[in-house]
Amino acid sequence: EVQLVESGGTLVQVGGSLTLSCAASGFTFDSYSMNWVRQAPGKGLEWVSHISSRSSMKYYADSVKGRFTISRDNAKNSLYLQMNSLRAEDTAVYYCARDHPEWVGSFDYWGQGTLVTVSS
Amino acid sequence: DIQMTQSPSSLSASVGDRVTITCRASQNINNYLNWYQLKPGTAPKLLIYAASSLQSGVPSRFSGSGSGTDFTLTISSLHPEDFATYYCQQSYSTMFNFGQGTKLEI
Repeated sequence: EVQLVESGGTLVQVGGSLTLSCAASGFTFDSYSMNWVRQAPGKGLEWVSHISSRSSMKYYADSVKGRFTISRDNAKNSLYLQMNSLRAEDTAVYYCARDHPEWVGSFDYWGQGTLVTVSS
Repeated sequence: DIQMTQSPSSLSASVGDRVTITCRASQNINNYLNWYQLKPGTAPKLLIYAASSLQSGVPSRFSGSGSGTDFTLTISSLHPEDFATYYCQQSYSTMFNFGQGTKLEI
């Protein structure tokens, strides 16, 4: 069974830093591209970042470019999102999501999410 | 950036109704269009990928169509568990952005 479990969400101050983790199991992690997607309170889904299976390609939404860094450790079946210079508008539930094996850019499995609250 | 616009933003319907949600892209995205269902407190669920391919395990009452800039998600006969928020998403460019969502209410 495919499982994605996010962790690391907490309350952090404006301007602070935080690293989120996503532990993957039930599939061959190093064969799949992965993503982070977020949902701010009362708002819709926002794609945040994408990383290819071997980390050769990384993409970011304009809203986080230069502040967030996506990475992965295939030996540990883990995905990460390092978030710097956090803003109030980064407050959201952050989901990790697996790329569909047949259709890159569609996300077939998601975690339950971890809440990041950025407050002054 | 490719902008995705859904309509309507909200929709009231009844069990058994046929419902259609529309998604429009700001430029041609061929068939690089996906649909998701989101319920409060649960992980998003992929329903349709590549505009019309039904994701494994998704009931056949869900269907997708369209190509280019205009797409639709149709639920042929609403079940109680279908009341949720639906999002389209483009995967044509590497900014995999979503539409603003359509809330389907009883």
